Amino acid sequence: AQSVSQHNHHVILSEAASLELGCNYSYGGTVNLFWYVQYPGQHLQLLLKYFSGDPLVKGIKGFEAEFIKSKFSFNLRKPSVQWSDTAEYFCAVKEFNKLSFGAGTTVTVRA
Amino acid sequence: DAGVIQSPRHEVTEMGQEVTLRCKPISGHNSLFWYRQTMMRGLELLIYFNNNVPIDDSGMPEDRFSAKMPNASFSTLKIQPSEPRDSAVYFCASSIRGSGRSGDIQYFGAGTRLSVL
Repeated sequence: AQSVSQHNHHVILSEAASLELGCNYSYGGTVNLFWYVQYPGQHLQLLLKYFSGDPLVKGIKGFEAEFIKSKFSFNLRKPSVQWSDTAEYFCAVKEFNKLSFGAGTTVTVRA
Repeated sequence: DAGVIQSPRHEVTEMGQEVTLRCKPISGHNSLFWYRQTMMRGLELLIYFNNNVPIDDSGMPEDRFSAKMPNASFSTLKIQPSEPRDSAVYFCASSIRGSGRSGDIQYFGAGTRLSVL
């Protein structure tokens, strides 16, 4: 099964700062990649996904992610965060109809 | 669509009691997943069903855990007897298997927060 690594456990930043969260998965082949977000007290919601094609994927709320096949990476970015982006972010890899999640990164945005 | 519906949202019980968590997938979805989320282990897949049939239960921690899906619109996850280490948030998710790329997206319910005292 895939192993998914998220580089940062907790990120704290100020509003308008740029955000980048790292994600690596363990091995290649055909995989589908996702970023989910979990706002405090809520369920997981899909931010964006990559299946094939353009490796730069745009999602909701101004987020984007870049798939780099050679590095087995799928990093999440947002140029300018808002206080409302405070949440936990999960990278996930889907293989054989099973999702493997990273440990999550808690993002705290200070107003 | 109402999305994936889980009940109850919160459950507090005493060690040794039976706990039943419920899930209603999105209408038309044919794959259903049960996850457990804890601080120590993050999000773990416990079991998933395809067309009401359990496909992979390798994530079920032990025999105290069981899951059923008697029909396409309902699933249960039962813990008997419950233990304090079962305290976690349990999520149910559903998707459409076999419908191309849209089938690769899992939609999550709001979760059940279980506390076993």
